[in-house]
Amino acid sequence: QVQLKESGPGLMQPSETLSLTCTVSGFSLISNGVGWVRQPLGKGLVWMGTIWAGGSTNYNSAVQSRLSISRDTSKSQVFLKMNSLQPEDTGTYYCARHPRSTGIPLFDYWGQGVMVTVSS
Amino acid sequence: DIQMTQSPSFLSASVGDRVTLSCKASQNINKYLAWYQQKLGEAPKLLIYNAKSLQTGIPSRFSGSGSGTYFTLTISSLQPEDVATYFCLQHNSWWTFGGGTKLELK
Repeated sequence: QVQLKESGPGLMQPSETLSLTCTVSGFSLISNGVGWVRQPLGKGLVWMGTIWAGGSTNYNSAVQSRLSISRDTSKSQVFLKMNSLQPEDTGTYYCARHPRSTGIPLFDYWGQGVMVTVSS
Repeated sequence: DIQMTQSPSFLSASVGDRVTLSCKASQNINKYLAWYQQKLGEAPKLLIYNAKSLQTGIPSRFSGSGSGTYFTLTISSLQPEDVATYFCLQHNSWWTFGGGTKLELK
C-alpha cells in the first residue's frame, strides 16, 4: 500500500528556513520520483520541485533560488528545505509520488499535506 | 507557462444529477491531463489520467474526455460521497494545476 506522509513545523518566522520531511512506504525512492506541491492560502496548487528516482532534481523557477530537495533512500524519506520564508509562503505543503513512466509523469499518490504558517 | 482554467469554481447539484466539470489549457497539452478528487482533510486521489483513462478502483460513474486544450470530467449520477473539490493537472510541459471546482450537494 503506497503511502506518503509529510511532517514539519507548523509555525515559522519570516526569513527562517523551512524543513519538511516526506516519509514514504509501499514503494522505493530508487524506483519512483517524488514531488513537492504547495497550496498557498486561498490559491491553487503549485508544483515546487521533484527529486527523481536517479537522484536528480528539477525546481520551479519561481522558487528555485530558495529551494532544495534531497532524500535518504535508506530511510525512505524526501526532504524539502526552503529559505528566506515570507508570509506568502503560508499554505499547505504536499508530497506526491510520480509513477514510473516515459515522458513527464503525473502524480499518482499524495500525502495529506502539512500546514505551514509564516508569521511574526 | 501553461495556464489551466477550471470552471465552474463552485457547483451545487442534487444526488443523481449528471455533473460536468471543465478544464481549459492555455495551449495544446495533447492527452496529458489528469483529474483528482480531494475531500476535506484527505490526500488528493487520482481519478482520471491521460484525459479519459479511469484509475484502478475508481467508480465507473466518473469519466473524462477531451484532448488538446479542452477537457471535461463527468459524474454520471452524483452520490453523496462525491462531495469534494476536484482539480485538474496538466503534465505535458512540467506541471500546472487548475484552480479547482468545489462540488456540494443541493
